[in-house]
Amino acid sequence: NAGVTQTPKFRILKIGQSMTLQCTQDMNHNYMYWYRQDPGMGLKLIYYSVGAGITDKGEVPNGYNVSRSTTEDFPLRLELAAPSQTSVYFCASSDLGGARSTQYFGPGTRLTVL
Amino acid sequence: KQEVTQIPAALSVPEGENLVLNCSFTDSAIYNLQWFRQDPGKGLTSLLLIQSSQREQTSGRLNASLDKSSGRSTLYIAASQPGDSATYLCAVRSYNTDKLIFGTGTRLQVFP
Repeated sequence: NAGVTQTPKFRILKIGQSMTLQCTQDMNHNYMYWYRQDPGMGLKLIYYSVGAGITDKGEVPNGYNVSRSTTEDFPLRLELAAPSQTSVYFCASSDLGGARSTQYFGPGTRLTVL
Repeated sequence: KQEVTQIPAALSVPEGENLVLNCSFTDSAIYNLQWFRQDPGKGLTSLLLIQSSQREQTSGRLNASLDKSSGRSTLYIAASQPGDSATYLCAVRSYNTDKLIFGTGTRLQVFP
């Protein structure tokens, strides 16, 4: 049982390039989330999904896109990378929403845009 | 808008000390509050989850309290060890958004 896995661990992009951050969970969780964490800051929600085929914006969605074609996978797409997107990206999943849910986090992807 | 603040931002203590980390939030309409641990270069690990109807939760040397009406939570670590060195994050799940709102964390260093 691997939990939540993310690839790649590290990536350097040039301004204007695009890439996809991969996230997979093997716990059959319906809820999945993407966060970014800037240095010295807490995590901010980018996008989330409550099930396959359903996604919604979080607090800081601009510059990102997501899709959820399966329960297991929740990729995050950066179309035109900008220096402001330099951050550590965390994917998380939970079996429930609301009061009793606990989120399980992946190890993160450290992205630098130059 | 819910805002979560953690004090202090950093803390350095000798091994064996009991210590308290503080978390405050501006909107008391929450489902629950959660404390996480984050090791350098790693993801977050959930330590304790307190429901809005609860006053405290305990796990080993960790005790978390919640005073919803005053918008405060504390994480108490007893007999600290070097292995406790990490960043501790609190997060609240608000009624109106059903999303986790994170504080900026307390970076703890316990030295031998």
